[in-house]
Amino acid sequence: AQSVAQPEDQVNVAEGNPLTVKCTYSVSGNPYLFWYVQYPNRGLQFLLKYITGDNLVKGSYGFEAEFNKSQTSFHLKKPSALVSDSALYFCAVGAGSYQLTFGKGTKLSVIP
Amino acid sequence: DVKVTQSSRYLVKRTGEKVFLECVQDMDHENMFWYRQDPGLGLRLIYFSYDVKMKEKGDIPEGYSVSREKKERFSLILESASTNQTSMYLCASQGQGNYGYTFGSGTRLTVV
Repeated sequence: AQSVAQPEDQVNVAEGNPLTVKCTYSVSGNPYLFWYVQYPNRGLQFLLKYITGDNLVKGSYGFEAEFNKSQTSFHLKKPSALVSDSALYFCAVGAGSYQLTFGKGTKLSVIP
Repeated sequence: DVKVTQSSRYLVKRTGEKVFLECVQDMDHENMFWYRQDPGLGLRLIYFSYDVKMKEKGDIPEGYSVSREKKERFSLILESASTNQTSMYLCASQGQGNYGYTFGSGTRLTVV
């Protein structure tokens, strides 16, 4: 069975500071990994994905994530947070089958 | 871009009513999914479908059924709505070999 852990329910960061939202996973086989963002009362929007290749992937709105196979992690990062980045972030993992497993989400609050 | 359209953004229904939530995608995707999202519980899979007229139970199918008569449309049915089905409902679609999901904007259902 595959699983995803987002160990922090909430992350607070000051505007302009770097941000990190953590994600670890467990799968059998080679994983493919995603980050999605959700704004209030909206669906999930795709941010970035790792399927294969370069471990550092860049996505929308200046976000990036690093695939670390030895630590089974896929942390989301941004060098300088904006107030508009405040949202709910979901990590998801898949392997083999088409089904993704989602984490419980991390609420990011960027403080002006 | 793939578009996934959920027919209602907000819905208020009475206990005992039969409720239909509609989801339509426009990119000929094979796989479609229904989730409910509740605070602290993340996304929970209700049902999914990998082909027309095919359906599979997810993690929490009780009290729900689905219909997929056409490839582009996947309907979620609450046979007799109850207050504990008040939630945000998210539909997603996925093409074969596409790995990632595309989500609709969600339907916030309140059962009174």
